Amino acid sequence: NAGVMQNPRHLVRRRGQEARLRCSPMKGHSHVYWYRQLPEEGLKFMVYLQKENIIDESGMPKERFSAEFPKEGPSILRIQQVVRGDSAAYFCASSPLTGWGTDTQYFGPGTRLTVL
Amino acid sequence: KNEVEQSPQNLTAQEGEFITINCSYSVGISALHWLQQHPGGGIVSLFMLSSGKKKHGRLIATINIQEKHSSLHITASHPRDSAVYICAVAASGTYKYIFGTGTRLKVLA
Repeated sequence: NAGVMQNPRHLVRRRGQEARLRCSPMKGHSHVYWYRQLPEEGLKFMVYLQKENIIDESGMPKERFSAEFPKEGPSILRIQQVVRGDSAAYFCASSPLTGWGTDTQYFGPGTRLTVL
Repeated sequence: KNEVEQSPQNLTAQEGEFITINCSYSVGISALHWLQQHPGGGIVSLFMLSSGKKKHGRLIATINIQEKHSSLHITASHPRDSAVYICAVAASGTYKYIFGTGTRLKVLA
């Protein structure tokens, strides 16, 4: 049973380009969470999605960031017109159940985004 | 002040030592998780606690809900335990984790 998959593992973009980060949850998991870890900082919640629904995006920057989890395929975190401050590790996690705090969330290996 | 505080921030130990990492939080929680982040960056969930104590191999995690405090203990530490250990709490009635900034552990052979 494969774990949470994220790709790419490393992504380099120039300022103004778009970054697309992909997350495939564990088999049977229908809840996906995205977190961002800025250099020398702790992880911060960004968004919680279920299939075809954004449940909570309160941690997402208001502009340039969007997320989706379509009926088929991986969840996508999209960052438009990247800036240097977007350089960070982006982690995806998935859980099988209701998504409330007592579920264990299984983390992917992360995507390290570097903006030049 | 962060809602989740960990101590110490950095810890160096000799192989075989008993290690304790502390986590204090200021919000009501439904669960507390201890995570391990390897030097390569991947994150593994070690424990999920809502009360009491859990043990897995050389790792022991405890939580005191009244005092809003949890500890992670490593017995007979080994260099392969070197990692960042992160405390994360799920605030009551929510799925969102609030993360501590982590404790960077280095175990020397």
